[in-house]
Amino acid sequence: QQPVQSPQAVILREGEDAVINCSSSKALYSVHWYRQKHGEAPVFLMILLKGGEQKGHEKISASFNEKKQQSSLYLTASQLSYSGTYFCGTEIDRGSTLGRLYFGRGTQLTVWP
Amino acid sequence: DTGVSQNPRHKITKRGQNVTFRCDPISEHNRLYWYRQTLGQGPEFLTYFQNEAQLEKSRLLSDRFSAERPKGSFSTLEIQRTEQGDSAMYLCASSQASRGVNTGELFFGEGSRLTVL
Repeated sequence: QQPVQSPQAVILREGEDAVINCSSSKALYSVHWYRQKHGEAPVFLMILLKGGEQKGHEKISASFNEKKQQSSLYLTASQLSYSGTYFCGTEIDRGSTLGRLYFGRGTQLTVWP
Repeated sequence: DTGVSQNPRHKITKRGQNVTFRCDPISEHNRLYWYRQTLGQGPEFLTYFQNEAQLEKSRLLSDRFSAERPKGSFSTLEIQRTEQGDSAMYLCASSQASRGVNTGELFFGEGSRLTVL
């Protein structure tokens, strides 16, 4: 039930764009995105809910295809501060939310000046 | 600081010893989660509470692991008879759920790193 993330790693120059993908084999109620810097706690970026509602970061956007159980995180005009490991967390649709997230293995993003 | 607080931040113990971690969530949050993270992996769900009730526990969690959240405030995670495979970062997170719906983000603490020798 762990979602699959791709790619495993991305290296960018400042100002370039990146897309990180997350897919699940189960019907999803929500998809969360978190960023974790080395030695720090994961920090919330975005949540996308079944039905289309989403809330999150100003400069980072995401999409959620409910039929395909897939989500993508779009990082545009990347900044040095975007470096870190990005995790998607998926909540399986069981008719009501139980709050349990399954996290992917992460995508390591490195932004160079 | 009104974030999620965990202690101790680091714990080194010998195999077979018991350890206990504490988590103080954000005060108005009614849900509290424990996750475990090893190097190169995403957080792995262990258990969660809504108020003082433990609503779900991972099947991966052996009987050596127990968690409590008395009075729906702080929580403790105890590992008995530790094994080397228990070495990991133990993360606590909290969130606010309304009418059973959890549509909010998880706020993670900085974790408690366990090393079992």
